[in-house]
Amino acid sequence: EIVLTQSPGTLSLSPGEEATLSCRASLSVSRNYVSWYHQKPGQAPRLLIYGASTRATGIPDRFSGSGSGTDFVLTINRLEPEDFGVFFCQLYSGSPMGSFGQGTRLEIK
Amino acid sequence: QEQLVESGGGLVKPGGSLRLSCAASGFSFSDFYMSWVRQAPGKGLEWVSYIRGDTFYTNYAASMKGRFTISRDNANKSLYLQIDNLRAEDTAVYYCARFRATGFNFYGMDVWGQGTTVTVSS
Repeated sequence: EIVLTQSPGTLSLSPGEEATLSCRASLSVSRNYVSWYHQKPGQAPRLLIYGASTRATGIPDRFSGSGSGTDFVLTINRLEPEDFGVFFCQLYSGSPMGSFGQGTRLEIK
Repeated sequence: QEQLVESGGGLVKPGGSLRLSCAASGFSFSDFYMSWVRQAPGKGLEWVSYIRGDTFYTNYAASMKGRFTISRDNANKSLYLQIDNLRAEDTAVYYCARFRATGFNFYGMDVWGQGTTVTVSS
């Protein structure tokens, strides 16, 4: 089973700053199978990015994804107060089952 | 409006069983894979299982095999998760979500329900 490890665990930044979130896979994976989600307290996750770099419908261009092989990055430019919450990366797999990273918590100062 | 609504959660004693349901509306249900994802209190997301649109392929997380059974009824646009021999560690919010995938691409889980809470306690 491929394990996804996200870093940092917590990020504390001010509005207007840039956030860089990392997701590292324990083995090389297809970038086509990597997605990113944002979850606010008490809400379901929201799809941000799929295929490592394609923004989902309605996601502002402040959010961008990149990476390949074992290292993937979610970048959030010009942070806004509503960007707080937890961000998860996800790997899809036919066999074995895919998984999520453990999450990065983004705190807005 | 594309929507998923879960139901069936509740308080169950260890060893008991539950059947969670997810009702879909606003989209062509059989065109999508459907999935269950759970989240224990204060923890991250855990992918439980998914099922292909034609119902002929299912997949489970290794730790879920044996006690969890996913199924779907395309005619009634419904997804199900049967959980047997419930344990305290199954306590979580259970979300259903849809996704598209091909042999080479995964398009992410783009519609999620609001979740249903399962609590396993004596």
